[in-house]
Amino acid sequence: DAGITQSPRHKVTETGTPVTLRCHQTENHRYMYWYRQDPGHGLRLIHYSYGVKDTDKGEVSDGYSVSRSKTEDFLLTLESATSSQTSVYFCAISDPTEYGDTIYFGEGSWLTVV
Amino acid sequence: AQKVTQAQTEISVVEKEDVTLDCVYETRDTTYYLFWYKQPPSGELVFLIRRNSFDEQNEISGRYSWNFQKSTSSFNFTITASQVVDSAVYFCALSAYSGAGSYQLTFGKGTKLSVIP
Repeated sequence: DAGITQSPRHKVTETGTPVTLRCHQTENHRYMYWYRQDPGHGLRLIHYSYGVKDTDKGEVSDGYSVSRSKTEDFLLTLESATSSQTSVYFCAISDPTEYGDTIYFGEGSWLTVV
Repeated sequence: AQKVTQAQTEISVVEKEDVTLDCVYETRDTTYYLFWYKQPPSGELVFLIRRNSFDEQNEISGRYSWNFQKSTSSFNFTITASQVVDSAVYFCALSAYSGAGSYQLTFGKGTKLSVIP
């Protein structure tokens, strides 16, 4: 158990509405990530954070923004949800060292945009 | 650029059979890390193993074993005497240093394993 909690776990929203997913961790991990999982694509990195207020884009960042105002919380926001953002979203954490890194995932958040 | 290929989209085996899941990777980095994750029907992603590029020693953990061969850029996963609880989607992933203290993780598309009783 990597101490990761995602909320909400399931959400249905309408096209054009803003949506925020929250990732909360309890073990002071430095790095936090948001991935999305889609059939035929595996998991793809949206954004990641390497510290409070330090974030960077991943492979599929368009249409998403993130914020990290506290070590324990990493928020993913869809400013105006679209049907193409229907997906399963996974938060992850890690603590990279010079010897490498292992990423642990949360339980996922199922988002449906109708 | 990094790439991970899991050519087997779906595999079905009968319980107690052995099964090998293939993973082939591409990277220009000399130092990298390989992973396997399990995603059972409940949906969570479970970390199984991490392998460093400089350590080609094979590993066994109970019924699970991993064969890492740099010469063929492969990191295959074998389940011996499969059980119904092994039914899941298995992901192979590659991580290499991407700067600013970060390692980028690239996933294969997964292999769905069904173990039939």
